[in-house]
Amino acid sequence: EVQLVESGGGLVQPGGSLRLSCAASGFTFSSYSMNWVRQAPGKGLEWVSYISSSSNTIYYADSVKGRFTISRDNAKNSLYLQMNSLRDEDTAVYYCARDVVVTATIDYWGQGTLVTVSS
Amino acid sequence: QSALTQPPSVSGSPGQSVTISCTGTSGDVGSYNRVSWYQQPPGTAPKLMIYEVSNRPSGVPDRFSGSKSGNTASLTISGLQAEDEADYYCSSYTTSSTHVFGTGTKVTVL
Repeated sequence: EVQLVESGGGLVQPGGSLRLSCAASGFTFSSYSMNWVRQAPGKGLEWVSYISSSSNTIYYADSVKGRFTISRDNAKNSLYLQMNSLRDEDTAVYYCARDVVVTATIDYWGQGTLVTVSS
Repeated sequence: QSALTQPPSVSGSPGQSVTISCTGTSGDVGSYNRVSWYQQPPGTAPKLMIYEVSNRPSGVPDRFSGSKSGNTASLTISGLQAEDEADYYCSSYTTSSTHVFGTGTKVTVL
């Protein structure tokens, strides 16, 4: 069974930093690309970042480019999102999500971790 | 990348059919048959319902079907059931090699 478990969310002040983690199990993590997707309270889904299976290809949404860094450790079956210079508008539930490259489909999602940016 | 456009809400009685539209551009929906649909009940993570415009993952009822014409994709739920009440989001691959999501549609079963 595919499982994705996010952690690292919490309350942080504007301008602060936070590092999210996602622990993957139930599939060969090193064979899949991964994404971070976020959802502000009461709002829709917003794609944030993508990383290929070997970390060779990385993409970011314009809203986080230059502030967020995606990375992965295939030996630890883990995905990360380093978030710097956080803003109020970054407040959201952050989901880790698996990507099936052949069909360009995000097929499995974690349960999400809440990041609240507030003074 | 702007969000794909969906109607805010649709509703129907049990047993009826409802259709949700998802309008994009030639830079996303219009360029690829890489449109997905997700179901999200309140307080839960999204669940994949349709991929590559019209394919259903294992376990998804055949009441759910998808189609696409030009820059607009559609999700139809036939034989609406109470358990179908949720938010639904479309998503498309883009010419920038990224994903873009729709604005979301709340489905209400009357």
